[in-house]
Amino acid sequence: AQSVSQHNHHVILSEAASLELGCNYSYGGTVNLFWYVQYPGQHLQLLLKYFSGDPLVKGIKGFEAEFIKSKFSFNLRKPSVQWSDTAEYFCAVNTYNAGNMLTFGGGTRLMVKP
Amino acid sequence: DAGVIQSPRHEVTEMGQEVTLRCKPISGHDYLFWYRQTMMRGLELLIYFNNNVPIDDSGMPEDRFSAKMPNASFSTLKIQPSEPRDSAVYFCASSLTGVAGNTIYFGEGSWLTVV
Repeated sequence: AQSVSQHNHHVILSEAASLELGCNYSYGGTVNLFWYVQYPGQHLQLLLKYFSGDPLVKGIKGFEAEFIKSKFSFNLRKPSVQWSDTAEYFCAVNTYNAGNMLTFGGGTRLMVKP
Repeated sequence: DAGVIQSPRHEVTEMGQEVTLRCKPISGHDYLFWYRQTMMRGLELLIYFNNNVPIDDSGMPEDRFSAKMPNASFSTLKIQPSEPRDSAVYFCASSLTGVAGNTIYFGEGSWLTVV
């Protein structure tokens, strides 16, 4: 079965700092990869996704993620964070043999100080 | 589209009471998922359905939990009897099968507190 690891549980940054959140998965076959964001008190929303093609994926709000197959990684990046980016970020993986089921990482709580 | 609709949004109940959470998936979606989110355990998949049929319920914590999907537009998650450790946010989500249709859309969650 696949698993997803997010090594940073809590990240604190100042506004305008650059962000990189790590995500590694364990599965040797074809995967679809996702980043979801959960703002305080809200539900999960899709930030970006990778299915195929260009491994550098651009999402909403200036976020991007790079799929590096050799490293089984899908790290999330943003060049300059804002206070409004304070949220919890979840990496998730889906494989075709898992019946559309998403496996989530443990989440990374990001706090951006104004 | 209205998105995934869950009810109630918030519920406070006493230990031992029955709790029923409801979900209406996005119209046309053939997958429905129930997730539980807690501080200690993060996001856990409880059960999911495909075309109204339960496919994997291995995440259901124990027999006190049950889920049904009587038709394509409605699902329930029931806890009977409820316990304080069931306090969590329960998310329903749905998705559409397809080569590139695996994005899962989440409802706004049902915030359950068992006292």
